[in-house]
Amino acid sequence: KNEVEQSPQNLTAQEGEFITINCSYSVGISALHWLQQHPGGGIVSLFMLSSGKKKHGRLIATINIQEKHSSLHITASHPRDSAVYICAVKRRGATNKLIFGTGTLLAVQP
Amino acid sequence: NAGVTQTPKFQVLKTGQSMTLQCAQDMNHNSMYWYRQDPGMGLRLIYYSASEGTTDKGEVPNGYNVSRLNKREFSLRLESAAPSQTSVYFCASSEMRQAPGANVLTFGAGSRLTVL
Repeated sequence: KNEVEQSPQNLTAQEGEFITINCSYSVGISALHWLQQHPGGGIVSLFMLSSGKKKHGRLIATINIQEKHSSLHITASHPRDSAVYICAVKRRGATNKLIFGTGTLLAVQP
Repeated sequence: NAGVTQTPKFQVLKTGQSMTLQCAQDMNHNSMYWYRQDPGMGLRLIYYSASEGTTDKGEVPNGYNVSRLNKREFSLRLESAAPSQTSVYFCASSEMRQAPGANVLTFGAGSRLTVL
């Protein structure tokens, strides 16, 4: 079983919909990252969380340390949000090494 | 522009050939990483360097070597390429700062390597 699991693996939404992508992990962590990768493109860090909630524009990330779960929400989704969203965790006590989920492929249709 | 620059973007090799992927960052980060990304799998760490002068193996180091030439540069070498090393390679750098939320993780644009 992977230490970081994301759901769903694939998601198709209509423009304007509210989107939620989930990340569950099985190890103790000190931080969790949400990353975005456009098709054929590079990887961009969206958020780093160690507790609570963060918001940047239409993106909101939350984390529940006790439940070992994080969610990435996109409000008023737009076709340009179409990308792979990747969750990665930094194991508590480890060095800078990250454990990555396999990603959620999001397609937002106009 | 500030960020992580990796070269080349594309490369085709024959089995047994060698090559070096170059990576440089201009953000004064201490830590640098090399990952590979394969279909259906998460990014996997090949090697990392926590600071200048140190390197450590990641999950999948076999067939690779690295050099942390200085604080800016971290290169990945394939001594004798194999088809199993066909992948997209990403270099990244990071700095874990004291201020809450000030962790910075930056990736290069990726290098697509095909080994025939």
